[in-house]
Amino acid sequence: AQSVTQPDIHITVSEGASLELRCNYSYGATPYLFWYVQSPGQGLQLLLKYFSGDTLVQGIKGFEAEFKRSQSSFNLRKPSVHWSDAAEYFCAVGAWNTDKLIFGTGTRLQVFP
Amino acid sequence: GAGVSQSPSNKVTEKGKDVELRCDPISGHTALYWYRQRLGQGLEFLIYFQGNSAPDKSGLPSDRFSAERTGESVSTLTIQRTQQEDSAVYLCASSFGRGSTGEQFFGPGTRLTVL
Repeated sequence: AQSVTQPDIHITVSEGASLELRCNYSYGATPYLFWYVQSPGQGLQLLLKYFSGDTLVQGIKGFEAEFKRSQSSFNLRKPSVHWSDAAEYFCAVGAWNTDKLIFGTGTRLQVFP
Repeated sequence: GAGVSQSPSNKVTEKGKDVELRCDPISGHTALYWYRQRLGQGLEFLIYFQGNSAPDKSGLPSDRFSAERTGESVSTLTIQRTQQEDSAVYLCASSFGRGSTGEQFFGPGTRLTVL
């Protein structure tokens, strides 16, 4: 069955520390992978997406993600976290043969000064 | 407006009442999605509209839920005889083309509380 797993429900980091949010997927077709961020009281915003090509993709707000087919993973990273990065982060997977995205359950990021 | 808008932003209703939630997508976006987000959970797909095609209703949890879309504009999600388990944030998203391969633009959501 198609699924997306975000193993970490809640992560806390200090401002300035590095960050990695995990995402694993199970999908029959070649996946299209997305990371969205949901700030408090706001809708989701696309951070970055991977369709093909270079497996390291750059996104907005200094985020990047690496697609590893062998591990079925698409982890999100940031070298230095800012307090404004505190939000909920969702990984999602789609494909050319579907009109829908499957979302993970999200990881809530808390940033301490 | 430039983005997806939803109304109302908050709705409190009594169990058994009907509610209507509205979504105004970005002009020109052919695809429109409704999701439900329960507290502490991910996004649950409800229904998908693409142009003038028949909607994909495969995510609607019961026949109490229905949605309509007028052409490529406004959509309304209706929940009849609301139950407490319907309490959630209802998110609408639109995209130009297919939302599984392009960016979906999300509205701020409607927080529904059923007492």
